[in-house]
Amino acid sequence: GAVVSQHPSRVICKSGTSVKIECRSLDFQATTMFWYRQFPKQSLMLMATSNEGSKATYEQGVEKDKFLINHASLTLSTLTVTSAHPEDSSFYICSAPQAGSSYNSPLHFGNGTRLTVT
Amino acid sequence: AQSVTQPDIHITVSEGASLELRCNYSYGATPYLFWYVQSPGQGLQLLLKYFSGDTLVQGIKGFEAEFKRSQSSFNLRKPSVHWSDAAEYFCAVVALTGANNLFFGTGTRLTVIP
Repeated sequence: GAVVSQHPSRVICKSGTSVKIECRSLDFQATTMFWYRQFPKQSLMLMATSNEGSKATYEQGVEKDKFLINHASLTLSTLTVTSAHPEDSSFYICSAPQAGSSYNSPLHFGNGTRLTVT
Repeated sequence: AQSVTQPDIHITVSEGASLELRCNYSYGATPYLFWYVQSPGQGLQLLLKYFSGDTLVQGIKGFEAEFKRSQSSFNLRKPSVHWSDAAEYFCAVVALTGANNLFFGTGTRLTVIP
């Protein structure tokens, strides 16, 4: 079945450094990918929608200069947390609809990335 | 605006007992509703979804959910819980735009005791 691979699964970085998280659709093309963030004991919150070949769409309150999204190909989207701070420590997860962006399209999730900023 | 409420943060049940996880939604039109499960160290997995039609939806792993418009609810049920069902469960509704970006509830953590 369709799989979304997210890498790395865990990363620890020092404050001020940047971290890149990759999200790949392994056996299907994803023109759209979604990036979520999950705070402890809270729900997943949509951060941005990544669109292949165009700029990402960010949700209100999400700093686009801090969370850089690049959707360079039909199978890869990356999220870069720039100049990371401890408050950026969180669980980041990506998802991709298998066909287009319709609600009726199966949505596949990566396994998530646990980011810890020290 | 759409929103999803899961009133129970944590539920503990005995293995073999029945389970019901509550989900209430707020939405102006017919909602598209989902239940996802997040097992420890793993990603989200779709259990079931409701778009239209029969209000009782069957999912994987023996789960089912019933859409009740009058109560704005979409509760998840399982007749007999297995220890492997211990996980975090999220109810979600799709955004107004119709694109596949989901709005999630805060989740319910299920603990299963032997």
